[in-house]
Amino acid sequence: DGGITQSPKYLFRKEGQNVTLSCEQNLNHDAMYWYRQDPGQGLRLIYYSQIVNDFQKGDIAEGYSVSREKKESFPLTVTSAQKNPTAFYLCASTQGGRGDTQYFGPGTRLTVL
Amino acid sequence: AQSVSQHNHHVILSEAASLELGCNYSYGGTVNLFWYVQYPGQHLQLLLKYFSGDPLVKGIKGFEAEFIKSKFSFNLRKPSVQWSDTAEYFCAVTNTGGFKTIFGAGTRLFVKA
Repeated sequence: DGGITQSPKYLFRKEGQNVTLSCEQNLNHDAMYWYRQDPGQGLRLIYYSQIVNDFQKGDIAEGYSVSREKKESFPLTVTSAQKNPTAFYLCASTQGGRGDTQYFGPGTRLTVL
Repeated sequence: AQSVSQHNHHVILSEAASLELGCNYSYGGTVNLFWYVQYPGQHLQLLLKYFSGDPLVKGIKGFEAEFIKSKFSFNLRKPSVQWSDTAEYFCAVTNTGGFKTIFGAGTRLFVKA
């Protein structure tokens, strides 16, 4: 089955540590996205990538970094510079990117202790 | 700045009641409009979308939405809700041809059996 996988489902880290969240898709989609979901705030865009080796900051990129070395993969690193990292993180992809329907992964819930 | 406003954060209905969830957006250009749904324990998924043409669009599970350009609105409706419609609903807007999608804060719907 085609889709987006995110791992792990739950992640716990100590304050001050960097952590990398995985996102893989086998939909052959060009564009990929990372969102942060907080209660009552909807989804906020962290980073997006239109093609391999290219990515753009979203609305809340501070304290996060990404890479896009392969079409299938778009890992997100939550750095120690992110002031409030505890959240639910969603990865998504679109076929063409231009206003298309987004397909979402199951999400990773990160808790920083 | 672009924004999406969902009028209700929490809605509680009894089965067979009618549903209308409000969504207004602020953006001056041509837009693509979406409603996404997140059922408990499931991925966020597309409910319906409007790109162009008939402003009344139909989605899965008997949902529909009407795009009223003059009001910058894209309200979601269902004539008779079921217990299985309990979920969180997100309105989203993308400028046509763009890569960034703006999400509303979400509406949690609880349907009493």
